[in-house]
Amino acid sequence: GEDVEQSLFLSVREGDSSVINCTYTDSSSTYLYWYKQEPGAGLQLLTYIFSNMDMKQDQRLTVLLNKKDKHLSLRIADTQTGDSAIYFCAESTLLNSGNTPLVFGKGTRLSVIA
Amino acid sequence: DAGVTQSPTHLIKTRGQQVTLRCSPKSGHDTVSWYQQALGQGPQFIFQYYEEEERQRGNFPDRFSGHQFPNYSSELNVNALLLGDSALYLCASSLRRGWRGTDTQYFGPGTRLTVL
Repeated sequence: GEDVEQSLFLSVREGDSSVINCTYTDSSSTYLYWYKQEPGAGLQLLTYIFSNMDMKQDQRLTVLLNKKDKHLSLRIADTQTGDSAIYFCAESTLLNSGNTPLVFGKGTRLSVIA
Repeated sequence: DAGVTQSPTHLIKTRGQQVTLRCSPKSGHDTVSWYQQALGQGPQFIFQYYEEEERQRGNFPDRFSGHQFPNYSSELNVNALLLGDSALYLCASSLRRGWRGTDTQYFGPGTRLTVL
């Protein structure tokens, strides 16, 4: 079955880069997502990548995928205090009938120090 | 363009009671999924509705049931509430694409359920 693992905490200084890591188990035709959750709020989709890609960049966000090691990372450049939140990695497998449900990690709490 | 909406925002119930949570999907979406997020955990999949039928189900007991209406909105019902049902209940909507690509899910703000 699918399983997603993340480190629980990360603390960075404002202006530095943050790198949040995730490992997953499924291998073929997988979509991998990054969601952000602020206190008391729902999940905000940040970006996603398909398992046939190595990298995706969107403004301050860079996603890197190492398929061999099943390792996914999210890099946030020039981290701001507003980036403080919990970041969830999630995976879903593409089937002919559609996608399997999202399987989430436990989330990484990012704290940005001013 | 309205995003995913959920009601109510907060709810307090006692053990043994029943609760109904509601979700309206993002405009243009036809599929609704429900997730339970316990404190300090990632969301866990409950079930998914498409074309008014339950299509996929996670590892949740039959006390958890749902419904999807012709306008694609959805309800989650929980019977015989237990203390352990206290959680944030998240609704996510998507557009079913089958083999053509990702059914990217967009989440609502959630309903915080407290069972006393």
